[in-house]
Amino acid sequence: AQSVTQPDIHITVSEGASLELRCNYSYGATPYLFWYVQSPGQGLQLLLKYFSGDTLVQGIKGFEAEFKRSQSSFNLRKPSVHWSDAAEYFCAVGGDTGRRALTFGSGTRLQVQP
Amino acid sequence: EPEVTQTPSHQVTQMGQEVILRCVPISNHLYFYWYRQILGQKVEFLVSFYNNEISEKSEIFDDQFSVERPDGSNFTLKIRSTKLEDSAMYFCASSGQGGSGNTIYFGEGSWLTVV
Repeated sequence: AQSVTQPDIHITVSEGASLELRCNYSYGATPYLFWYVQSPGQGLQLLLKYFSGDTLVQGIKGFEAEFKRSQSSFNLRKPSVHWSDAAEYFCAVGGDTGRRALTFGSGTRLQVQP
Repeated sequence: EPEVTQTPSHQVTQMGQEVILRCVPISNHLYFYWYRQILGQKVEFLVSFYNNEISEKSEIFDDQFSVERPDGSNFTLKIRSTKLEDSAMYFCASSGQGGSGNTIYFGEGSWLTVV
């Protein structure tokens, strides 16, 4: 069965600092990986996705993520965080044969200090 | 940009009542989904729907839940007899060619409160 672990429940960074949110997945074949962001009371917005090819993927709002098969990781990064990035971030995996659902991690809540 | 729209944005209902949550998926999409998120918890898959039938469902999606695409544009989730533990944000989503190989786009959610 596929699963996603986001080890950090809550992260606080200063505005302008770099950010890395961790995501580890468990899946038997090539996964399809996603990062979604959820602002308070809002829906899920897709930040970026990895299906195949270049393991470093670029997303919206200056985010990027790197797929590392050897570490079963898909960490999200941003070089300089803005106050508007404060939100909850969810990593998700899909790709199980015959499955069409995504499995989400528990999320990481990002706070940005001025 | 096309988007998934959901109504209502918030509904309060009494325990035991029936609730219908409505969604308009992106127009050329073929796969439709419902997910839910209990406050403070992770997003959980409920059901996927393709070609007018359920293609997959989770253990959460028991007999009190049903889905329907009544008119070719709407996609609904019905909860027959709501329980307190059904209080959650319900997300509708849709995708193009299908499933995990394509991007799933989510709506803004319908917040259901059962009292």
